[in-house]
Amino acid sequence: DTGVSQDPRHKITKRGQNVTFRCDPISEHNRLYWYRQTLGQGPEFLTYFQNEAQLEKSRLLSDRFSAERPKGSFSTLEIQRTEQGDSAMYLCASSLAAIGTSGSRTDTQYFGPGTRLTVL
Amino acid sequence: GIQVEQSPPDLILQEGANSTLRCNFSDSVNNLQWFHQNPWGQLINLFYIPSGTKQNGRLSATTVATERYSLLYISSSQTTDSGVYFCAVEQREGSSNTGKLIFGQGTTLQVKP
Repeated sequence: DTGVSQDPRHKITKRGQNVTFRCDPISEHNRLYWYRQTLGQGPEFLTYFQNEAQLEKSRLLSDRFSAERPKGSFSTLEIQRTEQGDSAMYLCASSLAAIGTSGSRTDTQYFGPGTRLTVL
Repeated sequence: GIQVEQSPPDLILQEGANSTLRCNFSDSVNNLQWFHQNPWGQLINLFYIPSGTKQNGRLSATTVATERYSLLYISSSQTTDSGVYFCAVEQREGSSNTGKLIFGQGTTLQVKP
């Protein structure tokens, strides 16, 4: 079990630059989530995918943010024209959701180590 | 949306002491997880416990779904238990489980030797 991995672990950038983060989920998991955590707060949901389909985006995710999961495996989160307020830990999680006739049942979410972004 | 409140916000223990952390939530849930966040930021799964009681070593958790709370018990605490403990619940939309976890603010635990 290789777990969820994220790359890079740390990123320092200047305001206005674009950054891209990668997340590799646990291989058999069909759901992948992105969360953001600022200092002293709990993680906040940003978006999630079921296989390659992006099913929901939080209002926290401005137009400068975009996420993809092109083949239903790894995912990327891109932030364009970074601002100092984007400084945070970006966490990725994955889970195995069972889809039934009465709706879906989501199993445990497993988190990666996070990417810490600092915007100067 | 659903609200998640954790108490206490901070807790200082002497090594060997026991503690109880509480998580209250404002609506019915199908998924509740407890996490421990280590000093490097990694969220470590402790329990998936939408209802009932589970135990894992010195840790145990109980969720009373009908009364909308969950408790995390830490017995014989060790310095390595220090960190932030988060409760998170899954938000439902209609009859579907969204998979979105809503986190509480966390309880910061410091265990002194």
